[in-house]
Amino acid sequence: AQSVAQPEDQVNVAEGNPLTVKCTYSVSGNPYLFWYVQYPNRGLQFLLKYITGDNLVKGSYGFEAEFNKSQTSFHLKKPSALVSDSALYFCAVRDITKAAGNKLTFGGGTRVLVKP
Amino acid sequence: DGGITQSPKYLFRKEGQNVTLSCEQNLNHDAMYWYRQDPGQGLRLIYYSQIVNDFQKGDIAEGYSVSREKKESFPLTVTSAQKNPTAFYLCASSEGTGSGANVLTFGAGSRLTVL
Repeated sequence: AQSVAQPEDQVNVAEGNPLTVKCTYSVSGNPYLFWYVQYPNRGLQFLLKYITGDNLVKGSYGFEAEFNKSQTSFHLKKPSALVSDSALYFCAVRDITKAAGNKLTFGGGTRVLVKP
Repeated sequence: DGGITQSPKYLFRKEGQNVTLSCEQNLNHDAMYWYRQDPGQGLRLIYYSQIVNDFQKGDIAEGYSVSREKKESFPLTVTSAQKNPTAFYLCASSEGTGSGANVLTFGAGSRLTVL
């Protein structure tokens, strides 16, 4: 079975400081990995994904994520956080070796609070 | 603009009543999904459909039903059999059949409260 863990329920950071949101995953084969962001009372918005190739993936709004196969991690990063980055962030994984229609598994979410 | 429309945004229900949440997409996506979101639990898949007139149960399908009579529409019925229906419900869609690295596009959600 595939799974995703986001070990921090909340991350607090000062505006202008680097932001990191942690994600580790477990799949039997190779993963597709995703980050989504959710603003209050809204649906999720896609930030970025890892399929294959370069371990550093760049996405929307200045976010990037680094795929580390040996540590089974896919941490989300932003060099300089903005107050407007305050939101709920979800990591998700799909095992690419599974049959078509395999479900996407989401982590429990990490709330990011950026203080001015 | 293309997107997913969910309605109603807020819904209150008395115990024992069935309610239907609407989800319409104009993205021409083949696959559609219903997720339930509870605080601190992430998203859990209720049902998904890869093609018209076909759908599969997700991880928490008990107490829910769906239909997919049109490509654009994937309504979710929360039945009286659902023991704890108060939650935020999210509809999503994706190109293709749900395999691969297809990105999900989400609606704005429907918040159901059982009184």
